[in-house]
Amino acid sequence: ILNVEQSPQSLHVQEGDSTNFTCSFPSSNFYALHWYRWETAKSPEALFVMTLNGDEKKKGRISATLNTKEGYSYLYIKGSQPEDSATYLCALGRRDDKIIFGKGTRLHILP
Amino acid sequence: DAMVIQNPRYQVTQFGKPVTLSCSQTLNHNVMYWYQQKSSQAPKLLFHYYDKDFNNEADTPDNFQSRRPNTSFCFLDIRSPGLGDAAMYLCATSRDLRTGNQPQHFGDGTRLSIL
Repeated sequence: ILNVEQSPQSLHVQEGDSTNFTCSFPSSNFYALHWYRWETAKSPEALFVMTLNGDEKKKGRISATLNTKEGYSYLYIKGSQPEDSATYLCALGRRDDKIIFGKGTRLHILP
Repeated sequence: DAMVIQNPRYQVTQFGKPVTLSCSQTLNHNVMYWYQQKSSQAPKLLFHYYDKDFNNEADTPDNFQSRRPNTSFCFLDIRSPGLGDAAMYLCATSRDLRTGNQPQHFGDGTRLSIL
């Protein structure tokens, strides 16, 4: 059974502080790792798709890294803002075309 | 501009009364997916269409069916909803089937409640 685990489940961060959270996955059958941001009452929005070990991607204040050998990805947010409050989902794309989501990390930015 | 549209946003139905959820897309993507997400759980893939080819996940109950009459539309039919089917239902699309460097595009979801 393939499980995608995200930690922590929930996180409270002071506005202006930086933060990071983790997605871990079994590295066998790996094809791609996706990160999505899901704000309340909106649709999940794709942030990054990464395929290569050592990949590092950046979008504004948000960046992500990927280690396929040990099976983890980190998402970093620099200088958190209220608009960063959301659930961050990671998803593993497998070679058999299955995509498996984690439960998400719920991020709350405190004013 | 909304590219994946789900209707309705909220659906209330009675126990055992059939219900249909709708999804449409303007992206002309080949693949359309239906996910079920229960509170604090991971979105769970129910099935997907690659063009007209239907692919059911092994653990999707028979109570759940899907139709894709054309590229743009895909429907989720729940034949006899039970209390355990109350959830958020997400529709997503992707250009192609390989889950490589292609993100999925999601709709806003339909939250289904069962009375």
